[in-house]
Amino acid sequence: KQEVTQIPAALSVPEGENLVLNCSFTDSAIYNLQWFRQDPGKGLTSLLLIQSSQREQTSGRLNASLDKSSGRSTLYIAASQPGDSATYLCAVYDSGAGSYQLTFGKGTKLSVIP
Amino acid sequence: NAGVTQTPKFRVLKTGQSMTLLCAQDMNHEYMYWYRQDPGMGLRLIHYSVGEGTTAKGEVPDGYNVSRLKKQNFLLGLESAAPSQTSVYFCASSYSPVSYEQYFGPGTRLTVT
Repeated sequence: KQEVTQIPAALSVPEGENLVLNCSFTDSAIYNLQWFRQDPGKGLTSLLLIQSSQREQTSGRLNASLDKSSGRSTLYIAASQPGDSATYLCAVYDSGAGSYQLTFGKGTKLSVIP
Repeated sequence: NAGVTQTPKFRVLKTGQSMTLLCAQDMNHEYMYWYRQDPGMGLRLIHYSVGEGTTAKGEVPDGYNVSRLKKQNFLLGLESAAPSQTSVYFCASSYSPVSYEQYFGPGTRLTVT
């Protein structure tokens, strides 16, 4: 069964700092990996989708990398801002046990201090 | 373009009562999903649908039923609510989950007393 782990569970950084969020998964036979953002009491917003054949994706200040063979992904946030404060979730899409589904990590709660 | 919408936003039920959660999407997506989110457990898939008229079980399907009579709608039913079903429920949709991201609704917060 696929398991997704995100470390650290919480992170606090001063405004302007660059930071890296980590995601690891146990089964490398994935179709894609997706990073989401979740604000308190809200739904999930998709940030980046990386296909299994890709190594990275960029959107604005965000850059996500994927190393499928080692079961790892990172989300790099440049020049962090207080508005980046949220919980960031990593999810992988695979066909484990015959059920095509996203398996989520428990998230990293990011606080950017002004 | 409203994206994915969910009705209701909040609901309180007593044990044994029934209810239906409605999810609607206006993006012409084939795939739709129901998840529940619990503290310390993350998001878990309840049921999903790969097209109109189809449904399939996810990771935690017990106690729930679903229907996809129209492509744009995906209903989640609780026939006899239990306190263990207290959770936040999210609906999501996508064109094809292999190549496209999933879009999520705002969630329904359900409390069963």
